[in-house]
Amino acid sequence: DIQMTQSPSSLSASVGDRVTITCQASQDIRRYLNWYQQKSGKAPKLLIFDASSLEPGVPSRFSGSGSGTHFTFTISSLQPEDFATYYCQQYDAFPVTFGPGTKVDV
Amino acid sequence: DVQLVESGGGLVKPGGSLRVSCVASGFTFSSYSMTWVRQSPGKGLEWVASISGTSSSIYYADSAKGRFTISRDNAKNSMFLQMSSLRAEDTAIYFCARLANVVVISGPFDYWGQGSLVTVSA
Repeated sequence: DIQMTQSPSSLSASVGDRVTITCQASQDIRRYLNWYQQKSGKAPKLLIFDASSLEPGVPSRFSGSGSGTHFTFTISSLQPEDFATYYCQQYDAFPVTFGPGTKVDV
Repeated sequence: DVQLVESGGGLVKPGGSLRVSCVASGFTFSSYSMTWVRQSPGKGLEWVASISGTSSSIYYADSAKGRFTISRDNAKNSMFLQMSSLRAEDTAIYFCARLANVVVISGPFDYWGQGSLVTVSA
């Protein structure tokens, strides 16, 4: 199985900060990497697919980059509604696997 | 609007069985692969199973193989997860989600339901 790691596991930030989360795959997953946001008690929401494509309707302050085994997710200017947990997910091979999540709080 | 609504969760004893359902609306259900993802209390996301639009392709996580069965009824815009031999570690919110890619069974999960809580406890 492809193992996904994320760093940091949590971070504290302020409104307006630039936030960067990294995700590493245990083997080459090309660009088959997605990013999700999950707020407490809610279902996850797709933000970025295929490493760098912005899901329609998602604000442009969210971005993603990377390929192969190393990926980055960035929020350019953190907004109050962005405090949440963020997960990366690979779908290059079954089983689909998620990273452990990064909690972004104040 | 795309909507996915799960139901069927509840309390079940270890070793018992339960079926959770997902009813879809707002899109041509039969054209899309669907998936189940679960989340144990306070934990991360775990993919459980996926099924293609025609049910011709099905994949399971190792934790689900032999105990869970994913299925769908396109005439009723519904997907199901039949769970048996349930264990305490199966306690989780079970989310259904739609795969964004129409042709293949892999891809991003672009729409999610609100989840259905399954609790396995004596």
